[in-house]
Amino acid sequence: GAVVSQHPSRVICKSGTSVKIECRSLDFQATTMFWYRQFPKKSLMLMATSNEGSKATYEQGVEKDKFLINHASLTLSTLTVTSAHPEDSSFYICSAPLAESYEQYFGPGTRLTVT
Amino acid sequence: DAKTTQPPSMDCAEGRAANLPCNHSTISGNEYVYWYRQIHSQGPQYIIHGLKNNETNEMASLIITEDRKSSTLILPHATLRDTAVYYCIVRDEKLTFGTGTRLTIIP
Repeated sequence: GAVVSQHPSRVICKSGTSVKIECRSLDFQATTMFWYRQFPKKSLMLMATSNEGSKATYEQGVEKDKFLINHASLTLSTLTVTSAHPEDSSFYICSAPLAESYEQYFGPGTRLTVT
Repeated sequence: DAKTTQPPSMDCAEGRAANLPCNHSTISGNEYVYWYRQIHSQGPQYIIHGLKNNETNEMASLIITEDRKSSTLILPHATLRDTAVYYCIVRDEKLTFGTGTRLTIIP
């Protein structure tokens, strides 16, 4: 099946710094990608929809100025957590749908720890 | 997206069939039923999806009731590697995850 990668897989940063997470579709093009956040023992929560060549669409309650999304190409979307705080520590997961099917492929996730 | 209801947890003996139920009584006519699973600290993995007919693939079978208000995911011969959280999702465009069923396969 199609493959979605994320980088880095783990990152530890200090409070107040910014962290960029990359999501790549390795063998298919994705005009849309989705970003999720998952806290321990909780379900995935959709944060935003990343659209190639246009602005991202954020879910209610997600601060667009804090979670910057850039979908610069058909295979790459980035999520930047700006001015990170300990409460931003979470598991961040991206996904991309395969255009000709209804399947959506998920990346392996990025575990962010803010100290 | 329509909401789904799943039992929070289930156990199944290794080698037996695991039957995971899902209620989606508010599903609309053009919404598909999707099943994903998430093994600890990994991204979700697609299992199967269907609209109204029963479906089968190499991983599982999906049984959808005639009124489409509920479905059952069947793992025919569960192995220890099937231990995961299983999510039943009804969608038309976006995937909205509920709390899922934590399936534990017991040796």
